[in-house]
Amino acid sequence: GQQLNQSPQSMFIQEGEDVSMNCTSSSIFNTWLWYKQEPGEGPVLLIALYKAGELTSNGRLTAQFGITRKDSFLNISASIPSDVGIYFCAGQGNAGNMLTFGGGTRLMVKP
Amino acid sequence: SAVISQKPSRDICQRGTSLTIQCQVDSQVTMMFWYRQQPGQSLTLIATANQGSEATYESGFVIDKFPISRPNLTFSTLTVSNMSPEDSSIYLCSVAGYNEQFFGPGTRLTVL
Repeated sequence: GQQLNQSPQSMFIQEGEDVSMNCTSSSIFNTWLWYKQEPGEGPVLLIALYKAGELTSNGRLTAQFGITRKDSFLNISASIPSDVGIYFCAGQGNAGNMLTFGGGTRLMVKP
Repeated sequence: SAVISQKPSRDICQRGTSLTIQCQVDSQVTMMFWYRQQPGQSLTLIATANQGSEATYESGFVIDKFPISRPNLTFSTLTVSNMSPEDSSIYLCSVAGYNEQFFGPGTRLTVL
């Protein structure tokens, strides 16, 4: 099925560094969601964005809903080893509650 | 958010057999979804399961291969039929919140 373009595909960073990842789409979305998936688990919702231009924080995480409604980014500040996992963006359009997922960003943090 | 459980958490199956995966939610929800996540890949929607109606399947997925039941507002099952090694994946159920979706822990299926 359709996927969002998520980048980077993977990141290997030093503990304490900031991280940025983004998703772009050719379609407009009404909602952008960011999930984190750890090994053996299902995706866990981190941040939900509902309005174009919206900037929302959750602890060290900050995400923005792009003004064009076709993109979103997620920043993680001062990374720690437990930030390790795969981060997925997901967009929701007008088709009910169907989500379109990005390909994921695998984050690895070196202590 | 809803608390979602899945059974089994993992299984190893022989080709040609079928496996039924159960999804239980701690609250009544209208819309439930089943996703597949192949190794190292993102999530792909298999079907949407609403209580009281037939499941709606996405392109590339058919009812004969992935029959779904939705007997009430807190429970659903997905069957993976006549399995082949290509069906080895994580299968996840999900429920719709206000404008979000929440996921179960997944069922890791390996087909030999």
